[in-house]
Amino acid sequence: KQEVTQIPAALSVPEGENLVLNCSFTDSAIYNLQWFRQDPGKGLTSLLLIQSSQREQTSGRLNASLDKSSGRSTLYIAASQPGDSATYLCAVHGADGLTFGKGTHLIIQP
Amino acid sequence: ETGVTQSPTHLIKTRGQQVTLRCSSQSGHNTVSWYQQALGQGPQFIFQYYREEENGRGNFPPRFSGLQFPNYSSELNVNALELDDSALYLCASSLGRTGGETQYFGPGTRLLVL
Repeated sequence: KQEVTQIPAALSVPEGENLVLNCSFTDSAIYNLQWFRQDPGKGLTSLLLIQSSQREQTSGRLNASLDKSSGRSTLYIAASQPGDSATYLCAVHGADGLTFGKGTHLIIQP
Repeated sequence: ETGVTQSPTHLIKTRGQQVTLRCSSQSGHNTVSWYQQALGQGPQFIFQYYREEENGRGNFPPRFSGLQFPNYSSELNVNALELDDSALYLCASSLGRTGGETQYFGPGTRLLVL
């Protein structure tokens, strides 16, 4: 059974810092890995999707990497802004659908 | 905006009742998936439908059932509600069946069972 772990569970940093969120998964047989953002009480917004054959994806200030063999992904956020404050969820897509981690709750202090 | 809508936004029920939640997928998306997100947790996969047939199921009891319709709408039905069913219910649509495509999530329905 696939298990996804996200570290840290919570993070609070001053505005402007670069930061890294970590995701690990136990079963490397995946179609893809997706990073989502969730604002309080809201649905999920897809940030980046990395296919199993890819190593990284970039969108604006966000960069996600995937090392399928070691079961790890990182989400790098450059020059953080208060508007980046949210919960960030990592999900791996396998034969049993999407398996999510519990998320990293991120607060960017103005 | 993902183009995926859900109704209602909030719902309060009592234990033992039945509830139906609705989702409207993006036009052309043949796959819809449903997830349950308890407070402070990541979403848990309930089941997936592809072209009106169940195409995968997570670890949820049979009192969780679904339907998918040809007009890209779908329903999640929960019978004999329990207190632990209180959660945010999310639906997601995608183009294909195999799972390599991006899933687009709706805003969710928050269910409270008293």
